[in-house]
Amino acid sequence: EAGVTQFPSHSVIEKGQTVTLRCDPISGHDNLYWYRRVMGKEIKFLLHFVKESKQDESGMPNNRFLAERTGGTYSTLKVQPAELEDSGVYFCASSQGQTLLETQYFGPGTRLLVL
Amino acid sequence: AQSVTQLGSHVSVSEGALVLLRCNYSSSVPPYLFWYVQYPNQGLQLLLKYTSAATLVKGINGFEAEFKKSETSFHLTKPSAHMSDAAEYFCAVSEGSGAGSYQLTFGKGTKLSVIP
Repeated sequence: EAGVTQFPSHSVIEKGQTVTLRCDPISGHDNLYWYRRVMGKEIKFLLHFVKESKQDESGMPNNRFLAERTGGTYSTLKVQPAELEDSGVYFCASSQGQTLLETQYFGPGTRLLVL
Repeated sequence: AQSVTQLGSHVSVSEGALVLLRCNYSSSVPPYLFWYVQYPNQGLQLLLKYTSAATLVKGINGFEAEFKKSETSFHLTKPSAHMSDAAEYFCAVSEGSGAGSYQLTFGKGTKLSVIP
C-alpha cells in the first residue's frame, strides 16, 4: 500500500513568487491534514480536510495560504505571494477515521525555502 | 489548548546504552499521546501511541513508553541503542477543536545521536 506522497520534495523560490505544494493521501483516507515546521520550532497544524470539505483551518497563518482538495482525493497548498517567513517544511498527513485515537500517517514533507 | 514539552533538543548515547527521551504534557483531560520518529530524508513514522488501554506501551523497533499521570509524562525508552536509531523523535498529543476536528500538537523534537 502506497503511503502519503508529497511533491515537490524541495522548492526554492524568491519572495513574492507563488508556490503550490501537492499531497496525495493514502487511498481511502477521507481525512487529510497539513502541518508546517518552521526551522527550530514545533510542527504546527495548519488545516484539516474531511473529503473535500475544510473541517478546520484555524492554523492557517494568513490569507496568502490557500488549500484545496477538489474531489476529495489529493490536496494542494498554494502560497501566494510567498514571504521569507514561509520557509520551512510542510507536511501532509492522512487518516482513515476522525477520532482522537486515530493514527495520522505522514508524508516526507516539502522543504520550502523563500529567498 | 494542550501542550507538549520535550526536554533536550539533542541527546547523545553510546551504542548499546539506554535511550531515554523525555516528554511532558499539559492536559486537563485524559490525553492521547503519540511518539513519532523522523529518519533523515523521510516522513514521520509512528513509533507508538497511548490510548489509555495500558500505561506501558510497546512500539516498533524495541521502543516503549510509560504513561505516568502523576508526573504528566510519557517518556520514550529503549534498553539498548543501535546506530539505526539515530533520528529525530517527536512527542505529540491529540486534541479536538471546537470545529469537530482533531489535530496533533507536537513538542519541539529531540535529535538522537548514537555514538559507536
